[in-house]
Order: sequence, then structure tokens, then C-alpha cells
Amino acid sequence: GQSLEQPSEVTAVEGAIVQINCTYQTSGFYGLSWYQQHDGGAPTFLSYNALDGLEETGRFSSFLSRSDSYGYLLLQELQMKDSASYFCAVETGNTPLVFGKGTRLSVIA
Amino acid sequence: DAGITQSPRYKITETGRQVTLMCHQTWSHSYMFWYRQDLGHGLRLIYYSAAADITDKGEVPDGYVVSRSKTENFPLTLESATRSQTSVYFCASSIDGQIEPNYGYTFGSGTRLTVV
Repeated sequence: GQSLEQPSEVTAVEGAIVQINCTYQTSGFYGLSWYQQHDGGAPTFLSYNALDGLEETGRFSSFLSRSDSYGYLLLQELQMKDSASYFCAVETGNTPLVFGKGTRLSVIA
Repeated sequence: DAGITQSPRYKITETGRQVTLMCHQTWSHSYMFWYRQDLGHGLRLIYYSAAADITDKGEVPDGYVVSRSKTENFPLTLESATRSQTSVYFCASSIDGQIEPNYGYTFGSGTRLTVV
């Protein structure tokens, strides 16, 4: 089976940088995704890493190290609207995504 | 506007009742999924479907039934609702079995189900 570990809560200051880590154990690893979910809303896709390295999309970046079974989501120039839950999810071929339990990010002034 | 829609948005039902949650997508995505979300558990897969008339169990399928007679619809039925099935249910779709790097899964708005 698959398992993912990510911190349950993170707090950061507006304008700062925050990193949300995700470690995983799985067989047949294809890639790591990140999703954002605001309270009462649906998860929305943020990024996907299949290869080692950093992928940047605006203020958000995602990193993957396949050899370490580790990835992270980096949020820069934090805004209050970034307060949400963030989920990492592993892809293993033609089987559905397995999600971590989520990290609740609180951005404070 | 194209998208993935779930209904109802909220539902309260009694223990032992049968209830069906609806999911409809307009993209003709091959894959559709049902996840439930509970505090402390994240998103857990209930059932998924790779195409019309093809369904498969996920991590927590007990007490649920699905069907997919048409590509665009993927209803989830609770045969005899229990309090432990109180949850938020999300339907999702994807183009195919592998992640499209720029799109991932697209989720519906969710159904908040309370079993009393």
C-alpha cells in the first residue's frame, strides 16, 4: 500500500515563505501532486512533479526528490488568502491518487 | 459552463435509509472517483471508474454501491446509511488514468451528508 506523511498544521506570517513537507512510501511511484482546499470548498489542483527538481508556478513551487521519497510545497510572499489545507498525493500508474491527511496552513498578520 | 457538478449540496438522512449522491461531468473524462473526507483522515477513496460499465473498489468501499452506465454520470449509493457514513463526499474526474501535469484531478463542490 501507500502512505504519506505531512505536518498537520503550519502557521506563518503574511509576506513570509513557508514550506510544507511530504514524505511517502509507495511502490510504482509515478509522481507527486499538491492540492489546495479552502474551508468549505473543493480541493483544487496546484502542481505535479514526476521528475526530481523544482517546478515553479507564480508564488508556489513544488519540489520532488524521488531517491528520498520526499517532496515539498513552497509558498512565497504569503497572503491571507493562502490560509487553507494543502494535500500531497501520490500517483502510481493507473490507480487513483492516494492523498495525505493534509496540512492546515494559517497565515497571520 | 462545462464542469463537474454534485447534488445535493447538503443532505440529512436517517439511519437505515438508502441515499444516492449524484455526480455529473461534462468533459467526457474517462476516469471518475468518489472520495470521502473526514477530519483526521484526509481524502479516502471509496470507488472509482475507468470508463462506462467499469468500476473498482477503493480504500473504503463497504456500505457503498456505484454504477456508471453513462460516461458523464457516476452516482454513489449508500444502501443502508449508518452514522459512520456522515462525511463530506467529493466526486472527481480526470482525463485518463495518469495525471495530466497541468490539470490533475478536478473535484466537484462536494456533498455534506449527515446521518442521524
